[in-house]
Amino acid sequence: NAGVTQTPKFQVLKTGQSMTLQCAQDMNHEYMSWYRQDPGMGLRLIHYSVGAGITDQGEVPNGYNVSRSTTEDFPLRLLSAAPSQTPVYFCASLDLAGNTIYFGEGSWLTVV
Amino acid sequence: AQSVTQLGSHVSVSEGALVLLRCNYSSSVPPYLFWYVQYPNQGLQLLLKYTTGATLVKGINGFEAEFKKSETSFHLTKPSAHMSDAAEYFCALREDTGRRALTFGSGTRLQVQP
Repeated sequence: NAGVTQTPKFQVLKTGQSMTLQCAQDMNHEYMSWYRQDPGMGLRLIHYSVGAGITDQGEVPNGYNVSRSTTEDFPLRLLSAAPSQTPVYFCASLDLAGNTIYFGEGSWLTVV
Repeated sequence: AQSVTQLGSHVSVSEGALVLLRCNYSSSVPPYLFWYVQYPNQGLQLLLKYTTGATLVKGINGFEAEFKKSETSFHLTKPSAHMSDAAEYFCALREDTGRRALTFGSGTRLQVQP
């Protein structure tokens, strides 16, 4: 997963707490996205961005905000943690020319 | 809308047997197709991808997949299963328009029996 840095890898949250997952890439990719992985459901798209200043919703955007102030960074804000929000989160960026998608290592959240 | 269907959430094979994981897709434009593998508590690793050209795609660890447009399928195969192949496998699709994000299937958990 060279090139996409996703933090934190593990985090414990209290119900109702907010937090931000960080995602950064140094490959100058325009397209970036956030996915959540729930057991038995594969990965689903939360939000995506097609360039700095441009973001849009994916299939499961409720409870999350994103911003893209620079090409490099695409943070995901979890607005209010709930026990149902304990999927694994993955950030990804797309090398359009090479048709290669780079994933971060994932973030495992536990909500107590 | 694009979609990916993986038939069989669990597949069990004996070590040395053929592995066949099924993936069918729906897309309004020619898709790019991917197979990923995920080991427990780890991230995603790309096995192989189909973009254009040759429809039989070879990947890492002895896996290959064949793109069949007429059947809208992209099944993953490996001639001889190894214990280390036990993992979850995801088929995914990307269209080359709009958001250019991936649409994933729900995954197939492969079990390899000794």
